[in-house]
Amino acid sequence: KQEVTQIPAALSVPEGENLVLNCSFTDSAIYNLQWFRQDPGKGLTSLLLIQSSQREQTSGRLNASLDKSSGRSTLYIAASQPGDSATYLCAVRNSGYALNFGKGTSLLVTP
Amino acid sequence: NAGVTQTPKFQVLKTGQSMTLQCAQDMNHEYMSWYRQDPGMGLRLIHYSVGAGITDQGEVPNGYNVSRSTTEDFPLRLLSAAPSQTSVYFCAAVGGPYNEQFFGPGTRLTVL
Repeated sequence: KQEVTQIPAALSVPEGENLVLNCSFTDSAIYNLQWFRQDPGKGLTSLLLIQSSQREQTSGRLNASLDKSSGRSTLYIAASQPGDSATYLCAVRNSGYALNFGKGTSLLVTP
Repeated sequence: NAGVTQTPKFQVLKTGQSMTLQCAQDMNHEYMSWYRQDPGMGLRLIHYSVGAGITDQGEVPNGYNVSRSTTEDFPLRLLSAAPSQTSVYFCAAVGGPYNEQFFGPGTRLTVL
């Protein structure tokens, strides 16, 4: 069974810092990997999706990388802002369509 | 284009009651699924459907029933609610050129 781990579980940084969120998975035979953002009491917003054949994807201040062979992905957030405060979830898709989720990293960006 | 919608947003049930959580999508995606999210557990797959008339079990299907009579709708039924089913329920649809997963806003369910 695919196991997805996110480190750290929680992170607090001052505004303006660049930061990296980590995601690791045990089964490298993935179809794609998706990063989500979840605000308190809200649903999941898709941030970036990386296909298994890709190495990275970028959207604005966000950059996600994928190293399938080592079972790792990172989400890089540049010049963090208080509005980036949320929980970030990593989810891996193997065969089929079901996602295996990590437990998330709770990010707090302080002014 | 509303994407994935869920109703109700909040619900309180008593043990033993039944109810249906509604999920609808207007993206014409074939694959839909239900997850539950619990503190410290992450999201876990309950049931999924690869198209109208086809459903299957996920990781935690016990106590839940689904059906898929149309592409648009995928309701989740709790047959006899238990306190262990207190959770936040998310519906998702998969589609587009990159098979991206789109989630609804969730239903917060409390079973007393």
